[in-house]
Amino acid sequence: KQEVTQIPAALSVPEGENLVLNCSFTDSAIYNLQWFRQDPGKGLTSLLLIQSSQREQTSGRLNASLDKSSGRSTLYIAASQPGDSATYLCAEDPVRASGSRLTFGEGTQLTVNP
Amino acid sequence: NAGVMQNPRHLVRRRGQEARLRCSPMKGHSHVYWYRQLPEEGLKFMVYLQKENIIDESGMPKERFSAEFPKEGPSILRIQQVVRGDSAAYFCASSPTGTGGMGPQHFGDGTRLSIL
Repeated sequence: KQEVTQIPAALSVPEGENLVLNCSFTDSAIYNLQWFRQDPGKGLTSLLLIQSSQREQTSGRLNASLDKSSGRSTLYIAASQPGDSATYLCAEDPVRASGSRLTFGEGTQLTVNP
Repeated sequence: NAGVMQNPRHLVRRRGQEARLRCSPMKGHSHVYWYRQLPEEGLKFMVYLQKENIIDESGMPKERFSAEFPKEGPSILRIQQVVRGDSAAYFCASSPTGTGGMGPQHFGDGTRLSIL
């Protein structure tokens, strides 16, 4: 059974801190892994996508890494800001005969305090 | 370039009625996916469609739920005889043509379905 686990479930930090969100997955073969942000009552905003052949991706203050051998991905947020407060979701896209379908973790709810 | 458009944003139905949720993918995208987010739970895959074809419906409940993506027009997720347990946020995503469906998925803002 495919499983994606995110730790911690919730995180509260003061503004300016660097932080790491963790994601672990059980599938050994994946097309890619995506990190999303979800604000309350809103849809998902794609932050970073790491292809299976890649080790990391960077966008601004965000850096995501992928280690397929250990089944782990991390999202690093540098110099956190109150506007970063949201739920962060990771999702794997496992290799399947019937094509793509994302399996999501339960998310990490991040609060950045001013 | 408009993103994935879902409507309505909010839908209220009474038990036993039908709910129709619409999704227009991004321009240039021919792969559409539906996901459901139940209260206090994560997103769960429901169905993957291409134009006029259901590719994978392994996440769809066996009864009352159906999905289509016609040659012309939006994708439709249809729920017949709704029950309270159908109350959830339903999200649609699309990915680019030519990627075999494995490109990045772009999500709409969702439809919040409430059953009275």
